Amino acid sequence: DTAVSQTPKYLVTQMGNDKSIKCEQNLGHDTMYWYKQDSKKFLKIMFSYNNKELIINETVPNRFSPKSPDKAHLNLHINSLELGDSAVYFCASSPPGSLRETQYFGPGTRLLVL
Amino acid sequence: DAKTTQPTSMDCAEGRAANLPCNHSTISGNEYVYWYRQIHSQGPQYIIHGLKNNETNEMASLIITEDRKSSTLILPHATLRDTAVYYCIVRVAGAGSYQLTFGKGTKLSVIP
Repeated sequence: DTAVSQTPKYLVTQMGNDKSIKCEQNLGHDTMYWYKQDSKKFLKIMFSYNNKELIINETVPNRFSPKSPDKAHLNLHINSLELGDSAVYFCASSPPGSLRETQYFGPGTRLLVL
Repeated sequence: DAKTTQPTSMDCAEGRAANLPCNHSTISGNEYVYWYRQIHSQGPQYIIHGLKNNETNEMASLIITEDRKSSTLILPHATLRDTAVYYCIVRVAGAGSYQLTFGKGTKLSVIP
């Protein structure tokens, strides 16, 4: 049973297209995240959602729009894709309270914009 | 979050203990030490965390010095599957921003 799953695993698309990445967790966690890992392997937070509400929105272009239909899902929609959006995107979730730093990550979605 | 310093890379012979150090000299009294690792092409994986006392679980042991300014993650019998980048993160549990700040970590290579 996969705890945090992401679809698709690979995404190759043209500049200017709109795409979505889906994330689901079956751990019953209240908090979910999107991280981006660039070509230099730096892992950075993009968004955090707690109980379907946006908590953190780091300096991310507004072409990126997260959507949380329920506590188990956090999807990432990207409009007008650019070359610089090529990266690996990781979804994560965590328990509440003092265990919030024990995050569970998905396998990642490798996005390549041509 | 307190700043951490880790060696860029380390090698370890298969079957031997891997000892990964982390310096966090500016750690405050209520900050925990967390360890994650990222195996190639996978998402980061939580390993262990601790405040003051040494901690052990099925994956590793965490030794925190008495002054809490440094810690060591120990993989008792390293296998080839333990080859990964290991991240040491220091922060207050359950408080502040909802995020983890990953540094560059230590690239551990387990050698046959």
